[in-house]
Amino acid sequence: DAEITQSPRHKITETGRQVTLACHQTWNHNNMFWYRQDLGHGLRLIHYSYGVQDTNKGEVSDGYSVSRSNTEDLPLTLESAASSQTSVYFCASSDDREPQYFGPGTRLTVT
Amino acid sequence: DAKTTQPPSMDCAEGRAANLPCNHSTISGNEYVYWYRQIHSQGPQYIIHGLKNNETNEMASLIITEDRKSSTLILPHATLRDTAVYYCIAGGGNQGGKLIFGQGTELSVKP
Repeated sequence: DAEITQSPRHKITETGRQVTLACHQTWNHNNMFWYRQDLGHGLRLIHYSYGVQDTNKGEVSDGYSVSRSNTEDLPLTLESAASSQTSVYFCASSDDREPQYFGPGTRLTVT
Repeated sequence: DAKTTQPPSMDCAEGRAANLPCNHSTISGNEYVYWYRQIHSQGPQYIIHGLKNNETNEMASLIITEDRKSSTLILPHATLRDTAVYYCIAGGGNQGGKLIFGQGTELSVKP
């Protein structure tokens, strides 16, 4: 069955380190998205992509970057991790005008 | 994306219908109404979406007013497993599926 996966599911890192979170989908969706969710809050959009080589900033993009070299993957990189980036990160994918389907999430702790 | 307004919390008795309201008075003509739910810290789960017409699937029904300024998600026979945060989102359309999440409604289904 087609699916969307995220890895790692849990990550602890130190302030200042570069961290990359992986997102992989097998639906062949054009659109992919990264969100973060902090305790007691809704999801906030970090970056998104409408296709290979396309990336766009969301509402909370500072300190994050993405690249889209193929249809299946959209890795999220924290260039220099900060404690404020401790959060749960969700990846999603969709076709145009179709629902987004979400991965299981990555819980990131920056110490 | 249009802003949505939902009550922060609601209770429902097990076996009864849960009716979750959402206001989206600034929705534009090409924006869809999407409903997702999130159980604990799992990834958001797609429930249903619609543009103008009422929609029904195996999980729920979506009633959209004629002027499209509000909608209601109906869970016909709520169970304890339906306890979750429910998000109403107006978006997608020409924006290729980009969605902005609000705070949602925390639904508690009680025995």
